[in-house]
Amino acid sequence: LAKTTQPISMDSYEGQEVNITCSHNNIATNDYITWYQQFPSQGPRFIIQGYKTKVTNEVASLFIPADRKSSTLSLPRVSLSDTAVYYCLLDALNRDDKIIFGKGTRLHILP
Amino acid sequence: SAVISQKPSRDICQRGTSLTIQCQVDSQVTMMFWYRQQPGQSLTLIATANQGSEATYESGFVIDKFPISRPNLTFSTLTVSNMSPEDSSIYLCSATPLGPYEQYFGPGTRLTVT
Repeated sequence: LAKTTQPISMDSYEGQEVNITCSHNNIATNDYITWYQQFPSQGPRFIIQGYKTKVTNEVASLFIPADRKSSTLSLPRVSLSDTAVYYCLLDALNRDDKIIFGKGTRLHILP
Repeated sequence: SAVISQKPSRDICQRGTSLTIQCQVDSQVTMMFWYRQQPGQSLTLIATANQGSEATYESGFVIDKFPISRPNLTFSTLTVSNMSPEDSSIYLCSATPLGPYEQYFGPGTRLTVT
């Protein structure tokens, strides 16, 4: 049973900001929200991780509302190379719970 | 961060044989994991490789079929035993470095069983 729900696919255009939302209604107190990016024939790559409010790094921003039941990955000014599958994952520091990857969001950037 | 390599990158094996996949990390890590991913599908966790003790397997995966070793903090192996065509998949190793908790993944091993 997946802990997270994301849109199956999204299309956007180069230069646009892309927001991918992930629902996790049953998030636990010790769960962190982690996003990964995966290109074809490669392993997933860590993008960003957060617990609450907003986290920003050189690649993306992660917005988490106060109830933590959802999160939004924001990719600024996407390019064709951002075409990939994006996974939202709940990850607990103590890892007592099973790590479950959801189906991911297939993002397709158009020229 | 951590850089992870896997060997082999791909292999074609005959039914009934076994293949051992190696995972090497360039630094010491606390936890290592093995996943399976069918092409176009999401990842499924097979087991957590524990250093110095038996691996912890997820539901649907057993030690006799997927024996795992982890002799030290930088290396692990996954063996796919008595293979059948249903074992054809991509097998991925990941690791969590000391301190941060994000996972770093290897490039995967593409296994085809004929």
